[in-house]
Amino acid sequence: EAEVAQSPRYKITEKSQAVAFWCDPISGHATLYWYRQILGQGPELLVQFQDESVVDDSQLPKDRFSAERLKGVDSTLKIQPAELGDSAMYLCASTGGTGLAGVTGELFFGEGSRLTVL
Amino acid sequence: AQKVTQAQTEISVVEKEDVTLDCVYETRDTTYYLFWYKQPPSGELVFLIRRNSFDEQNEISGRYSWNFQKSTSSFNFTITASQVVDSAVYFCALSEHSGNTPLVFGKGTRLSVIA
Repeated sequence: EAEVAQSPRYKITEKSQAVAFWCDPISGHATLYWYRQILGQGPELLVQFQDESVVDDSQLPKDRFSAERLKGVDSTLKIQPAELGDSAMYLCASTGGTGLAGVTGELFFGEGSRLTVL
Repeated sequence: AQKVTQAQTEISVVEKEDVTLDCVYETRDTTYYLFWYKQPPSGELVFLIRRNSFDEQNEISGRYSWNFQKSTSSFNFTITASQVVDSAVYFCALSEHSGNTPLVFGKGTRLSVIA
């Protein structure tokens, strides 16, 4: 069983609705990532946190997506409004290293939240 | 810019056959890290191996082995005597040393092992 917790596992929503995903990383892991994985593709980074600070959100569609990690522990990814093209698996990952070690070490992934937008 | 190419979209083998999954990468950095992850139907990505650019020694772990060749920018993964439980999507990924960049994944190879 994955130690990175994500919820919900599955979400079906209609376009224009708001959706939110939650991630609880492995205890003590300072670096947290949100990836999006479209069916048949590899995961693509949306946002990277170091503690509570955003390190990289260059690929996050900021007009509709937001992410926060207020206390540097768990994190929420929100989409408002959802569009048909947002249907994908949203994966959360964490790692224990900081700085360079944070991106050269093993990433631990959750089981993902699968979003279907109708 | 960094890029990972996994040319094989799907592979099917019969149980006990050996199978090699190809990975070709592009990077301008001299220091970088290569990874393989397994994604079973449950969806979770499972870490298999990490290799840095200065270590070209091939590695073997049970039925798994990896062949890293900087000359051809390849990091191939071989499963010996495949089993049905090996059926999954396998991803190769790259992290560059500069700029604290996160992992960039290939598109994955779906392996089906048939009993």
